[in-house]
Amino acid sequence: GDSVTQMEGPVTLSEEAFLTINCTYTATGYPSLFWYVQYPGEGLQLLLKATKADDKGSNKGFEATYRKETTSFHLEKGSVQVSDSAVYFCALSDLSGGNTPLVFGKGTRLSVIA
Amino acid sequence: NAGVTQTPKFQVLKTGQSMTLQCAQDMNHNSMYWYRQDPGMGLRLIYYSASEGTTDKGEVPNGYNVSRLNKREFSLRLESAAPSQTSVYFCASSEVPGGGYGYTFGSGTRLTVV
Repeated sequence: GDSVTQMEGPVTLSEEAFLTINCTYTATGYPSLFWYVQYPGEGLQLLLKATKADDKGSNKGFEATYRKETTSFHLEKGSVQVSDSAVYFCALSDLSGGNTPLVFGKGTRLSVIA
Repeated sequence: NAGVTQTPKFQVLKTGQSMTLQCAQDMNHNSMYWYRQDPGMGLRLIYYSASEGTTDKGEVPNGYNVSRLNKREFSLRLESAAPSQTSVYFCASSEVPGGGYGYTFGSGTRLTVV
């Protein structure tokens, strides 16, 4: 079945450092890919998405490019801030499977220190 | 504000007690979902409803029941609570079955079973 694998955390960075969180997927069809962010004590929020190969999703300085050849959707940010401390989830939606829900990775906790 | 509303936000139950978690969305979404989130386990799907009148089991349905009361509301019931059900529960909704355009999440219910 479909699956998402994220790099394990926690990830700890200094403010203004470069961030990469790796995400790879397995899917039978042509999925849409998502990154969600969960701030402490809150629910998940959609951060960005890409619906087809080579698309780049971007939001709040974060970017991720849908790479079909490497089945990856890595999350990047050039300069992280303390306010970016959160848990990040990669997810896919494979509509070729019908009404199957989103498949989530296990999440990566990011801590940014001043 | 439009979104997904969950009640209650916090609850403590004794083992064997029953309770219902409520979820309502005002975005006219067709599909709704219940997840639980445990430390180190990411999100695990309990039940979902692809459309009004339908419900399906997810990854961890044992010990739970659901009701899609109408298009707006999707409740989760614990008939006889167990300590293993201590978790944070999230409800989500999406415009299309399978969440192809992403999910909107509620802020969660933190449940403790003693």
